[in-house]
Amino acid sequence: EAEVAQSPRYKITEKSQAVAFWCDPISGHATLYWYRQILGQGPELLVQFQDESVVDDSQLPKDRFSAERLKGVDSTLKIQPAELGDSAMYLCASSLSWDEQFFGPGTRLTVL
Amino acid sequence: QKEVEQNSGPLSVPEGAIASLNCTYSDRGSQSFFWYRQYSGKSPELIMSIYSNGDKEDGRFTAQLNKASQYVSLLIRDSQPSDSATYLCAVNFGTGNQFYFGTGTSLTVIP
Repeated sequence: EAEVAQSPRYKITEKSQAVAFWCDPISGHATLYWYRQILGQGPELLVQFQDESVVDDSQLPKDRFSAERLKGVDSTLKIQPAELGDSAMYLCASSLSWDEQFFGPGTRLTVL
Repeated sequence: QKEVEQNSGPLSVPEGAIASLNCTYSDRGSQSFFWYRQYSGKSPELIMSIYSNGDKEDGRFTAQLNKASQYVSLLIRDSQPSDSATYLCAVNFGTGNQFYFGTGTSLTVIP
């Protein structure tokens, strides 16, 4: 069964350090999403890609976060520098169209 | 402003009972609606999708959609302890293929 892959699964870093997360969507899924989920809340969209183009990054804190999907397949989300408030689960999801999206296992980030 | 609201709970039901989870959304133009289950420390797992008014049944799960009232619900029949999780309602408002999530309802099924 096709799945969204993410790595690493867990990341512990100190504040002011740089971190990067990787996502490989389900093959053929043109739309890729990065979400941040703080404990006790629902996922919040950070950035949405359609192929290699950014569709929506209005909630991405652009002073410290960046995302790319250079070849329209896998994607990287970077935080530099990390802050204490960035501790959260970072979820990647992909979808074929407006119908249904599927999540990867997530990356649990802890900033000390 | 696109909003999805859920009763945050926590909701507790005895094993074998029916659990009812509710969700309202702000945009009448919304096209598709989803329920995800999320176990603690795990990512959301899609359990139901619904697109038309009425009921949709899948095993012990029934999704109900009322677009006029901007309301979608999930019923879990014969609740099992393994159903204990947070249930997230998600809505695709139909613009730009974006999904908006509620804050989730925590469900505990008591053996």
